[in-house]
Amino acid sequence: EAQVTQNPRYLITVTGKKLTVTCSQNMNHEYMSWYRQDPGLGLRQIYYSMNVEVTDKGDVPEGYKVSRKEKRNFPLILESPSPNQTSLYFCASSQEGPSSYEQYFGPGTRLTVT
Amino acid sequence: GQNIDQPTEMTATEGAIVQINCTYQTSGFNGLFWYQQHAGEAPTFLSYNVLDGLEEKGRFSSFLSRSKGYSYLLLKELQMKDSASYLCAVLDSNYQLIWGAGTKLIIKP
Repeated sequence: EAQVTQNPRYLITVTGKKLTVTCSQNMNHEYMSWYRQDPGLGLRQIYYSMNVEVTDKGDVPEGYKVSRKEKRNFPLILESPSPNQTSLYFCASSQEGPSSYEQYFGPGTRLTVT
Repeated sequence: GQNIDQPTEMTATEGAIVQINCTYQTSGFNGLFWYQQHAGEAPTFLSYNVLDGLEEKGRFSSFLSRSKGYSYLLLKELQMKDSASYLCAVLDSNYQLIWGAGTKLIIKP
């Protein structure tokens, strides 16, 4: 089954404790991205990657890191989480970037930072 | 700045028709997407418009007017399962997606 998986689905952590949210897709997609979704706001892009070893900042990259060492994986790293990073996070992939019609989203990771 | 406007919430009756509007002001335009998002779930693709006019796909249709910076999503024969948020997103001149905050659609029996 074609899908994007994320782990963990839910995470409660404390300020300053490094964490990683994993994202993996099995569709051989070139393009992957991370979004955060907050009430009353649209999806905001954090980082995206057009291909292996190529990553770029989105609209809200501060406080986040990513890496793309393999085509299928695109982990999101929070080196020192803060409460303002409490949010719902989605990983997405598509064949050639956002212009290729549809993006496939993972199930989401709900992060709470206390 | 770039902006996508959608109504925050709409209510409709099962079996009826509802139109969800989206207006946009962006730096360039390379297409407009509609996604459906059920509560607590991931967005799923509904439609893509890049040329003016109406695109029909079953019970759902999407319309675009580039000159007016306007789109709408039309849902016919509403079912309870259509209760969800509907997200409008525009691809700007840099091929970056700009997302609206979404319209929460409530269907009543």
